[in-house]
Amino acid sequence: EDQVTQSPEALRLQEGESSSLNCSYTVSGLRGLFWYRQDPGKGPEFLFTLYSAGEEKEKERLKATLTKKESFLHITAPKPEDSATYLCAVPSGGSYIPTFGRGTSLIVHP
Amino acid sequence: DTGVSQNPRHKITKRGQNVTFRCDPISEHNRLYWYRQTLGQGPEFLTYFQNEAQLEKSRLLSDRFSAERPKGSFSTLEIQRTEQGDSAMYLCASSLAGLELFFGEGSRLTVL
Repeated sequence: EDQVTQSPEALRLQEGESSSLNCSYTVSGLRGLFWYRQDPGKGPEFLFTLYSAGEEKEKERLKATLTKKESFLHITAPKPEDSATYLCAVPSGGSYIPTFGRGTSLIVHP
Repeated sequence: DTGVSQNPRHKITKRGQNVTFRCDPISEHNRLYWYRQTLGQGPEFLTYFQNEAQLEKSRLLSDRFSAERPKGSFSTLEIQRTEQGDSAMYLCASSLAGLELFFGEGSRLTVL
């Protein structure tokens, strides 16, 4: 069965303290990996799509990377406004429906 | 605003009542998805449409749940005889040809 596992479940950082979130997956024939940001009480907001191992994408303080078995979301010098839950998803099954991980809840303290 | 729109944003109902949620997708998107999310969990797939055809349903979608997408435009998700376990955030998303999903703000259901 296709699975998406995110770690850690929760992460507390001081402002400016860089770190990485992990998303590991077991999907045969990867057709992309999506990263989303979700604020409390709101729908997920699309951040990145990665398609192949070695690919990297950046947006402000966020950089997403992809290997054959996992993806990392690197957060450089985070600010309190980066506090959110970060979700990753992988299209799976015959219909390539995105399967989501449980997310990493990030809190950045000023 | 050309994003995905969901209504109502919040619904409180008593157990046993029926509720309906509406989703208006991004106009040029041909796929529309419904997901359910509970606290501390990622979104869980319920069903999706390609144009007006409902192509897949999750086993989470019991016979009390029904979804429609008439004419391939907006979609509705109806829950009949609600139970307390149905309390969750119901998320709608749309995409173009199976690419990344764009979500609405969600409809939060509370069943008393």
